[in-house]
Amino acid sequence: QLQLQESGPGLVKPSEPLSLTCIVSGGSLSSSYFWGWIRQPPGKGLEWIGSIYYSGNTFYNPSLKSRVTISVDTSKHQFSLKLSSVTAADTAVYYCARGVIGFMDSWGQGTLVTVSS
Amino acid sequence: EIVMTQSPVTLSVSPGESPTLSCRASQSVSNKLAWYQQKPGQAPRLLIYGASTRATGIPARFSGSGSGTEFTLTISSLQSEDFAVYYCQQYNNWPPYTFGQGTKLEIK
Repeated sequence: QLQLQESGPGLVKPSEPLSLTCIVSGGSLSSSYFWGWIRQPPGKGLEWIGSIYYSGNTFYNPSLKSRVTISVDTSKHQFSLKLSSVTAADTAVYYCARGVIGFMDSWGQGTLVTVSS
Repeated sequence: EIVMTQSPVTLSVSPGESPTLSCRASQSVSNKLAWYQQKPGQAPRLLIYGASTRATGIPARFSGSGSGTEFTLTISSLQSEDFAVYYCQQYNNWPPYTFGQGTKLEIK
């Protein structure tokens, strides 16, 4: 059974980068899926951040594109998110997920990242 | 960017009733529409994709319909475990994939 688990610091200072990793178990990162990041500010809705395909192609939300990098390391069974120059508006629960065509069929449990000095 | 609008924002329903949740797209998304359920403190769970196809393990009481710009999610005979927030998401025109703001299904 596929499992995804986010990891990374829960507190990031303003203007610093946010880095998260999603470890994938029970499935292959090399198969015909895409792997993505979605976030949810406290008490608010869902926002797609970006995705990386098994081919290595990446697609980002235009609203975040200038600050986002998603990469994959198949040897470590993980993919990663880096968001630069964070502000308080980036405080959210960050989810990693597996995607099929365009919808997300498996999700990690999520990790809260707070941006504060 | 396609804007997804869900209605109502909150729906108060009694167990056993069969509520219908609505999702409207700002332009046609064909049938590239998914529904998710999210309970407090949990990740979203995929319910429906392709507007009407239930995901693996989803009970038959959940049904989706619609195409183009108008979509509905119906839950037949609401169970206690169905009280949650429901989101729609389009994946026809991207990037970005976009979600509705959610409908909270609460106990009446």
